[in-house]
Amino acid sequence: NAGVMQNPRHLVRRRGQEARLRCSPMKGHSHVYWYRQLPEEGLKFMVYLQKENIIDESGMPKERFSAEFPKEGPSILRIQQVVRGDSAAYFCASSSTHRTGETQYFGPGTRLLVL
Amino acid sequence: AQKITQTQPGMFVQEKEAVTLDCTYDTSDQSYGLFWYKQPSSGEMIFLIYQGSYDEQNATEGRYSLNFQKARKSANLVISASQLGDSAMYFCAMRENTNEKLTFGTGTRLTIIP
Repeated sequence: NAGVMQNPRHLVRRRGQEARLRCSPMKGHSHVYWYRQLPEEGLKFMVYLQKENIIDESGMPKERFSAEFPKEGPSILRIQQVVRGDSAAYFCASSSTHRTGETQYFGPGTRLLVL
Repeated sequence: AQKITQTQPGMFVQEKEAVTLDCTYDTSDQSYGLFWYKQPSSGEMIFLIYQGSYDEQNATEGRYSLNFQKARKSANLVISASQLGDSAMYFCAMRENTNEKLTFGTGTRLTIIP
C-alpha cells in the first residue's frame, strides 16, 4: 500500500489521558499536514511539518497539542490530557512539494473518542 | 469571512443524471489552487480533481469536471451520469499561494436515488 498510513484507525481515551496519533506519508513525500474534522463539519488545518521542522502550526491549539516529524519514523500528533471536545477525526495528508498546485493525499484518518 | 462557501448542505439526484455541486471562494491571492474531495460513509478523503487559478481550461477527470469561473470566484464540481457509488460528502478546498494549508468548505452531502 503506497498511500498515506495512519494508525490507529480508532482510539478511545478517558479524560485526562494522552492520545498519540501516527502518520506515515506516501513514499517520496516529505511534507505532512494534520487536519481535524469535527462531526458534520469540514476539515480544519492544524499543522504543517517537514522532516524535523514545524513549518506552520497556526491551527494548533496553544495547549496540550504537539506535533513532530522526526528524521526517522512517522509523524506524531500528540494530545495531552484529552477532553471530550477533542473527540474528532484526525486526518494526515502528505505531498511531495509545497507548491500551490500540489495535491495533498489523505490517510484514512484516526477517529478519537474521549469518554 | 468564509474563504470557501458550499451553499448546498444536501442534494438528492436520480441515478444517471448529471449533478452540479456549488463552490464559491474568496481570496486576494493571484495564484491559488482549487480541489474537490469525496468523503464516503467509510470516512476516508478521496482526491477528485484540481484546478489552478492560471489554468485556462476547465479541469476534467473521467466523469468529474470543474466549472471554473474566475471572475465569479466559483469552482463548481460537475458529475456526469451519476452512480449509486457517488453518494458521499463532497468538499471543496482552496490552497493559496501565500500558505500551504488547504481551507475546506462545509461540504455537500450527495445522495443518489436509484
